[in-house]
Amino acid sequence: GDSVTQMEGPVTLSEEAFLTINCTYTATGYPSLFWYVQYPGEGLQLLLKATKADDKGSNKGFEATYRKETTSFHLEKGSVQVSDSAVYFCALSYNQAGTALIFGKGTTLSVSS
Amino acid sequence: KAGVTQTPRYLIKTRGQQVTLSCSPISGHRSVSWYQQTPGQGLQFLFEYFSETQRNKGNFPGRFSGRQFSNSRSEMNVSTLELGDSALYLCATAREITGELFFGEGSRLTVL
Repeated sequence: GDSVTQMEGPVTLSEEAFLTINCTYTATGYPSLFWYVQYPGEGLQLLLKATKADDKGSNKGFEATYRKETTSFHLEKGSVQVSDSAVYFCALSYNQAGTALIFGKGTTLSVSS
Repeated sequence: KAGVTQTPRYLIKTRGQQVTLSCSPISGHRSVSWYQQTPGQGLQFLFEYFSETQRNKGNFPGRFSGRQFSNSRSEMNVSTLELGDSALYLCATAREITGELFFGEGSRLTVL
């Protein structure tokens, strides 16, 4: 069945470091791909998404490109801030509306000043 | 605007009992989906309702059921509770087409 695999954390970085969180997927068809983020004490919220191959999603300095050939959707940010400390979840949707998601296990990012 | 509201926030049950959780969506959102979050399995999709009809279903046993009312509010029910049902149950709602889910804070169920 469809699945999402993301790198296990925790990931610990210093402020202004470069961030990559790897995400690969297995799916039949062409799902939409998402990154959701959960900040401490808050609920899950959408960070960015891509709906077809080669699409790049971006938001708040984060980017991810939908790579069909490598079945990947890696999250990157050029310079992380302390406020980026959170749990990041990669997900794919197996319905057109993007409302039924398969999530990865989540990666905890901790950024220190 | 008001967010997704889930009730109750915390509850404790014993094995064999049943539980009903409620989710009130953001105004205008007709899709309501439910997820189970545990430390071992992570976030797992239970089911999704749209306009009072179950539109998608995850891989959970029949003890897990749900429904949606005409005002888009949704309930999920777990019967014959097992210890392994202890989890955070998250509700997420969406406006059709946007592909963005808005999550509630969850209902934390502990089964003793």
